[in-house]
Amino acid sequence: QKEVEQNSGPLSVPEGAIASLNCTYSDRVSQSFFWYRQYSGKSPELIMSIYSNGDKEDGRFTAQLNKASQYVSLLIRDSQPSDSATYLCAVIGTGRRALTFGSGTRLQVQP
Amino acid sequence: NAGVTQTPKFQVLKTGQSMTLQCAQDMNHNSMYWYRQDPGMGLRLIYYSASEGTTDKGEVPNGYNVSRLNKREFSLRLESAAPSQTSVYFCASTGTPQTTDTQYFGPGTRLTVL
Repeated sequence: QKEVEQNSGPLSVPEGAIASLNCTYSDRVSQSFFWYRQYSGKSPELIMSIYSNGDKEDGRFTAQLNKASQYVSLLIRDSQPSDSATYLCAVIGTGRRALTFGSGTRLQVQP
Repeated sequence: NAGVTQTPKFQVLKTGQSMTLQCAQDMNHNSMYWYRQDPGMGLRLIYYSASEGTTDKGEVPNGYNVSRLNKREFSLRLESAAPSQTSVYFCASTGTPQTTDTQYFGPGTRLTVL
């Protein structure tokens, strides 16, 4: 079982819709969770971090964390074609000093 | 501030050749990392340096060596390149290795080993 699992996609949504990206992790003691966006040929850039159960909102982005279910998600409201990218879920567990990444979900927003 | 810089941007090697990938950061960060990214596999940690003077192996260290030259610079060396090392290599840095710190990534080096 991979430590961090994501559906590879592509996830295709129409412009203006809500895109929902999901991630599960296997290390129950993981404490910090991140969503990175990566455009083709570019480096990852952080869009959200979340550390406690519940929702965290930042503009059009909402991260949701459920530690009991070992599940973290990212909602993108009013999706735009410029949101088309690969979204990487990353986790840091207790005692670890580096990120463990999922393989990413490719999002396509159709104009 | 340039952030995290990497050189070269592209490199083609023949099997058995050696090379060093360079990484530098100007954010006064303590911790630096080397990842590789292969298609469909996300990023995997090769080596990291929690602070100047220390280095530790990550998930996929075989075939690589690293040097934390000073606080700013962290290099990755391939002593005898193999086709399996064809990948995109990213360097990253963060203020401390604490779990809440954001990692900042460099632009990447695309390496092809023939």
